[in-house]
Amino acid sequence: DGGITQSPKYLFRKEGQNVTLSCEQNLNHDAMYWYRQDPGQGLRLIYYSQIVNDFQKGDIAEGYSVSREKKESFPLTVTSAQKNPTAFYLCASSVTGTHRDGYTFGSGTRLTVV
Amino acid sequence: AQKITQTQPGMFVQEKEAVTLDCTYDTSDQSYGLFWYKQPSSGEMIFLIYQGSYDEQNATEGRYSLNFQKARKSANLVISASQLGDSAMYFCAMREDNTNAGKSTFGDGTTLTVKP
Repeated sequence: DGGITQSPKYLFRKEGQNVTLSCEQNLNHDAMYWYRQDPGQGLRLIYYSQIVNDFQKGDIAEGYSVSREKKESFPLTVTSAQKNPTAFYLCASSVTGTHRDGYTFGSGTRLTVV
Repeated sequence: AQKITQTQPGMFVQEKEAVTLDCTYDTSDQSYGLFWYKQPSSGEMIFLIYQGSYDEQNATEGRYSLNFQKARKSANLVISASQLGDSAMYFCAMREDNTNAGKSTFGDGTTLTVKP
């Protein structure tokens, strides 16, 4: 079955450490997105990509980095520059970037700083 | 200015009754899409329903319907015959054709609790 796989489901980070969240899709979708969700709040866009080897910053990109070397993969690195990384991270994809296409989401990664 | 506003942080509904979740939006684009997603306690976001700005009829998907009032910039979700499994957080979202890559903007969500 097609879908988006995010791993790990839970991740613990020490202060000053970089961590990478994985996002893989087998839907043949062009566009991929990373969102951050804080408790009781909506989703805020971190980074997005429409095609391989191209990506753009979202509303809260500081302290994060991404790559898009393959169509199927869009990993997110949370760097030590991100001062408050504890949150729920959701990866999404869609067929194209037009308004008609809804997102397919992964099951999320819950990141906690220890 | 917030592009998506959901004014109900929490809602309660009796099982088998209908409930309306409010959503208003702000855009200067003529071409855009409105979406509702459901987020159960497990965290995964589930797409429920879509309404295009040029669609003349309100969208329906099973027990979900979207009450689209374009002049009021309103896109309320109606859930009929509520079930206990409908208890979740619901998000309204908008994608505008004019923005890069069709990014979606999400509201802050409404937590729906269905009472037995």
